[in-house]
Amino acid sequence: GQQVMQIPQYQHVQEGEDFTTYCNSSTTLSNIQWYKQRPGGHPVFLIQLVKSGEVKKQKRLTFQFGEAKKNSSLHITATQTTDVGTYFCAGQNTDKLIFGTGTRLQVFP
Amino acid sequence: SAVISQKPSRDICQRGTSLTIQCQVDSQVTMMFWYRQQPGQSLTLIATANQGSEATYESGFVIDKFPISRPNLTFSTLTVSNMSPEDSSIYLCSVAWGSLRFFGPGTRLTVL
Repeated sequence: GQQVMQIPQYQHVQEGEDFTTYCNSSTTLSNIQWYKQRPGGHPVFLIQLVKSGEVKKQKRLTFQFGEAKKNSSLHITATQTTDVGTYFCAGQNTDKLIFGTGTRLQVFP
Repeated sequence: SAVISQKPSRDICQRGTSLTIQCQVDSQVTMMFWYRQQPGQSLTLIATANQGSEATYESGFVIDKFPISRPNLTFSTLTVSNMSPEDSSIYLCSVAWGSLRFFGPGTRLTVL
């Protein structure tokens, strides 16, 4: 079946450093979504990308959808302690939304 | 977006017992889902709760173990039956808003 993998699994950074997580799907996607889950919390929707090669920005966060619509990335510039959490991509194929394996980000002050 | 509440927020249960989790949404939604998130893991879809008909289960999940009710467009329940320690997880109710998913706060279940 469809699989969505993310790397790295964990990332520890010093506050102010940049961070990137990569998401790869085994199948072509109609769209990709990103969610953030704070420790002890539930996943919260961040953004959806639909078009091939699409790039969207939210303040310090930059999201990109690959040309083949099978991969995506999330880049955070100058991380802050409030960025701590697990970031999940979720790929949609027909009516199924498959969550990636997640990247846990820890930011040290 | 919808506001989603779940009850209970957490529970500790004995092996062999059953627990019913409730999910309430503040507006009518067509699609409701139940996910499981084991410790440190990603989200796995258990089933789609269909209003007025039987839930649609994903591979590896069966109705006898996870019976689901969906009596109307704002409410659903998930029962975890005959629990074992392997069922210890966070169970999340989710609704679809277009293609997006919004999640309830989750129910943290520990089975002893």
